[in-house]
Amino acid sequence: NAGVMQNPRHLVRRRGQEARLRCSPMKGHSHVYWYRQLPEEGLKFMVYLQKENIIDESGMPKERFSAEFPKEGPSILRIQQVVRGDSAAYFCASSRRQGGTGELFFGEGSRLTVL
Amino acid sequence: GESVGLHLPTLSVQEGDNSIINCAYSNSASDYFIWYKQESGKGPQFIIDIRSNMDKRQGQRVTVLLNKTVKHLSLQIAATQPGDSAVYFCAENSIIQGAQKLVFGQGTRLTINP
Repeated sequence: NAGVMQNPRHLVRRRGQEARLRCSPMKGHSHVYWYRQLPEEGLKFMVYLQKENIIDESGMPKERFSAEFPKEGPSILRIQQVVRGDSAAYFCASSRRQGGTGELFFGEGSRLTVL
Repeated sequence: GESVGLHLPTLSVQEGDNSIINCAYSNSASDYFIWYKQESGKGPQFIIDIRSNMDKRQGQRVTVLLNKTVKHLSLQIAATQPGDSAVYFCAENSIIQGAQKLVFGQGTRLTINP
């Protein structure tokens, strides 16, 4: 049973470009969470999705950031017109149950570097 | 506001000694807590969890203690090994703006001296 799969593991973008990060949850998991981590800091919640629904996006910047979890395929975190401050590790997690009351399984993260 | 804080950002212990990592949380309504281990360049890995109706839970070489009176959580690692070197995060399950989610603390870096 494969774990949470994230790709790309590393992504380099120039300012103003777009970044797309993908996450495939564990088999049987329908709840997906995205977190951002700056160096030497904890994980900050961004967004919580179920299939075709955004449940909670209170941690996501209002502009340039969007997330989706389509009926088929991986969840996508999209950052438009990236700026240097977007450089971070972005982690996806999945669970069977709502709201994180079950165990969250994390992927290995996607590390975005903005030049 | 939401916050989970740690008392010590770094902890250095001798191999074979016991380690204690502390965490303070602010939301008295939180009902579920998890400790994660994050090795360099990897994602967080579940270690152990505890619900608010318990004050202690034991796993393999790890014990989590919960003191709801002072809103304090600790992770005890017995007979620390080199492989235990990592950053440890506590996380609380909170209901914020009507939605449940895990809120992470800043983390404690544990280093093991040979």
